Amino acid sequence: DAGVIQSPRHEVTEMGQEVTLRCKPISGHNSLFWYRQTMMRGLELLIYFNNNVPIDDSGMPEDRFSAKMPNASFSTLKIQPSEPRDSAVYFCASSSGLGSYEQYFGPGTRLTVT
Amino acid sequence: GESVGLHLPTLSVQEGDNSIINCAYSNSASDYFIWYKQESGKGPQFIIDIRSNMDKRQGQRVTVLLNKTVKHLSLQIAATQPGDSAVYFCAEVRGGYNKLIFGAGTRLAVHP
Repeated sequence: DAGVIQSPRHEVTEMGQEVTLRCKPISGHNSLFWYRQTMMRGLELLIYFNNNVPIDDSGMPEDRFSAKMPNASFSTLKIQPSEPRDSAVYFCASSSGLGSYEQYFGPGTRLTVT
Repeated sequence: GESVGLHLPTLSVQEGDNSIINCAYSNSASDYFIWYKQESGKGPQFIIDIRSNMDKRQGQRVTVLLNKTVKHLSLQIAATQPGDSAVYFCAEVRGGYNKLIFGAGTRLAVHP
């Protein structure tokens, strides 16, 4: 298995632009998570999907952030408009949910907003 | 892969020595704990887990100890190797589903 796949690996954009981050979970996993990692706040959960349905979005910072999971093999995290304080590394993780809490993380996307 | 240069507490050890990384958790209702390792430029990677009905679990070169009385978790790495250099996070499960709450992390630096 290729593991969790994220794209792009690096994104540099200007303030005010729309940013879309993409994730392909491990095949057969029914849970998907988006995290943000920063120096100040560490690793934070943004949103959690189970069977393509958002279950907990309490970590989404504000309305500029949105996430979708149109099918079991694809999810997006969108920031519109982006701001410099959104600069961070964004991770996607997936889990099988079969009696295990283990989450498998992707390589992350480093987002820089100038 | 990516990571961030967090200003984290650092544990420095000599190659071959044993390492102990500690973690305090806050929620006495948490019933499951995981240790993750994050190498530079990569996402966190699962190391070992433990349920709250256990106080010790061993893996290959790693042991996790859980003290529920004082809400403390530790990760012991035997015969530490240069490849063990990374940031280590403890995470607790809350919320009735697999929502992980991560600790701040500890950087392990292994010197030859």
